[in-house]
Amino acid sequence: SQQGEEDPQALSIQEGENATMNCSYKTSINNLQWYRQNSGRGLVHLILIRSNEREKHSGRLRVTLDTSKKSSSLLITASRAADTASYFCATERGANSKLTFGKGITLSVRP
Amino acid sequence: GAVVSQHPSRVICKSGTSVKIECRSLDFQATTMFWYRQFPKKSLMLMATSNEGSKATYEQGVEKDKFLINHASLTLSTLTVTSAHPEDSSFYICSSLSPGIFDEQFFGPGTRLTVL
Repeated sequence: SQQGEEDPQALSIQEGENATMNCSYKTSINNLQWYRQNSGRGLVHLILIRSNEREKHSGRLRVTLDTSKKSSSLLITASRAADTASYFCATERGANSKLTFGKGITLSVRP
Repeated sequence: GAVVSQHPSRVICKSGTSVKIECRSLDFQATTMFWYRQFPKKSLMLMATSNEGSKATYEQGVEKDKFLINHASLTLSTLTVTSAHPEDSSFYICSSLSPGIFDEQFFGPGTRLTVL
């Protein structure tokens, strides 16, 4: 089973709008992380939220975590064309720091 | 954030040859590095955990004799794809575990392997 599944799988919005992406997971976690990947590139770490945290902000990013529902959301406010990328959630559980990635969401921001 | 480099960024090779990919942490010592592979429009799949000075730990289904990992120093881990075949064509990404307390992984830019 997939640990870390995002929805929607693809999202297309107009520049200036907000983008909300969701991630669900199945087992208990230490933390959940969101990454961005531009086409053909490596991953950029966006934000890490621990299991005892409920919300974190970083610039235009807002991440929430609901451990009772085993879900997280990533909100990008006032989106820009440069936000166009694939976004992945990844969960870390156990003591070995391994990350399990979701399938990713492709975000397209139209100028 | 910390910088992780990979070399080469892109490699094309003939079927049956071996390819070595390097992953370097440039500004911190990394006792643990991870190797992932990513197929087009797919997620990252963890292949193995590379530990400095000891054998790598492979995920289920990953052939250790096929994907040789060496972590000989605190700044360098290498992945060698032995006797590569077209189905090994993929995007290989490494990451280094940060030495800080936040368990953040810093990812390399990836290596695109194409096996003809």
